[in-house]
Amino acid sequence: AQKVTQAQTEISVVEKEDVTLDCVYETRDTTYYLFWYKQPPSGELVFLIRRNSFDEQNEISGRYSWNFQKSTSSFNFTITASQVVDSAVYFCALSEGWQTSYDKVIFGPGTSLSVIP
Amino acid sequence: GAVVSQHPSRVICKSGTSVKIECRSLDFQATTMFWYRQFPKQSLMLMATSNEGSKATYEQGVEKDKFLINHASLTLSTLTVTSAHPEDSSFYICSGQRQGPADTQYFGPGTRLTVL
Repeated sequence: AQKVTQAQTEISVVEKEDVTLDCVYETRDTTYYLFWYKQPPSGELVFLIRRNSFDEQNEISGRYSWNFQKSTSSFNFTITASQVVDSAVYFCALSEGWQTSYDKVIFGPGTSLSVIP
Repeated sequence: GAVVSQHPSRVICKSGTSVKIECRSLDFQATTMFWYRQFPKQSLMLMATSNEGSKATYEQGVEKDKFLINHASLTLSTLTVTSAHPEDSSFYICSGQRQGPADTQYFGPGTRLTVL
């Protein structure tokens, strides 16, 4: 069965601090996708990244970086030099779908990040 | 590209009435569309998956007679909450997927339903 765990329910940081959001997943499949989404107070989900299970290269996009470690089933997300606009709920998600006609995405419980000016 | 819209963005209705929410993929054809529900301070829970022209597949615990889903075209899916009750008040989010497996889902902005 699929499962996504985000142990940090709420995090508060002061602006310009770095912050890492943890994500641990469970799956029996060897082929799967991992995602991170941002949900600001407006409610609309913003897609941040998708990573397939065969690509363990870490990725950096501006102030955002992701660390994928299959050995620990983790897909952590780091924001460098945080800004107030980063305040949102962040969801890690997992999808297994190579064998089916559609993908079912399972979301983690989310981490609420507050960046204090 | 890959924009999904939802209408209405916010709706308030009386208990016992039915409410229809539309989900449209604006610049792509969504072979599959998904409907999620999100209660305050909780995660997104998948309600059902619909493929164009066929019946929706509902997740365990979701009443298909209460949450009617129609996926009439490759760009439109509707969710009708029938005989709504206060406990149905929630944030409903749809998403569309372009192709088959492994394509990213693109999410709509959500519809906040309040049942009085």
